[in-house]
Amino acid sequence: GAVVSQHPSWVICKSGTSVKIECRSLDFQATTMFWYRQFPKQSLMLMATSNEGSKATYEQGVEKDKFLINHASLTLSTLTVTSAHPEDSSFYICSATRDIRYEQYFGPGTRLTVT
Amino acid sequence: TQLLEQSPQFLSIQEGENLTVYCNSSSVFSSLQWYRQEPGEGPVLLVTVVTGGEVKKLKRLTFQFGDARKDSSLHITAAQPGDTGLYLCAGVSSGTYKYIFGTGTRLKVLA
Repeated sequence: GAVVSQHPSWVICKSGTSVKIECRSLDFQATTMFWYRQFPKQSLMLMATSNEGSKATYEQGVEKDKFLINHASLTLSTLTVTSAHPEDSSFYICSATRDIRYEQYFGPGTRLTVT
Repeated sequence: TQLLEQSPQFLSIQEGENLTVYCNSSSVFSSLQWYRQEPGEGPVLLVTVVTGGEVKKLKRLTFQFGDARKDSSLHITAAQPGDTGLYLCAGVSSGTYKYIFGTGTRLKVLA
């Protein structure tokens, strides 16, 4: 199989604080990991692409200083939402792939609520 | 901007009926995937198609990749309430390897 985990599955934080979300590929080494955001009843919106040991590539309109991505190893990527605001509340999903020419495997998602 | 248009956007059918979901683009894809997503969860991979004209079956689901690798279809036979969910197609664009998601089809199967 190809299993991707995310932690935490949900988090509530206060405005102005930072939140870190972890994404792990449990049974394979991921050459590339991706972070998505999903609004209710919509498709996924790619935020950034990260490769182990190098800087993440952010999509247009995504603030890299607000959404910090670290890809420490071939099985772990983290997304830190800095100085969170209520408008950052959303469903964040990571994915991982062995080969960018083919499928991505998705984590179960993290529901972030900023109060 | 590369787009993957899915149709229909919404579909509500009775148990036992058949349905087809389409995924269309003007771009060529090196591979294409179909996922199903349930509320509050991440998308789950159903299938990957790679070769133009390829047909794959997964129980009552039949997936086809267009000959030119620009489009795909998902056909469900005798739909069941457990098939309810958001169906997403996604393609890897040839050359750039950008992953493009479809607009999604929300299916509801009524018992």
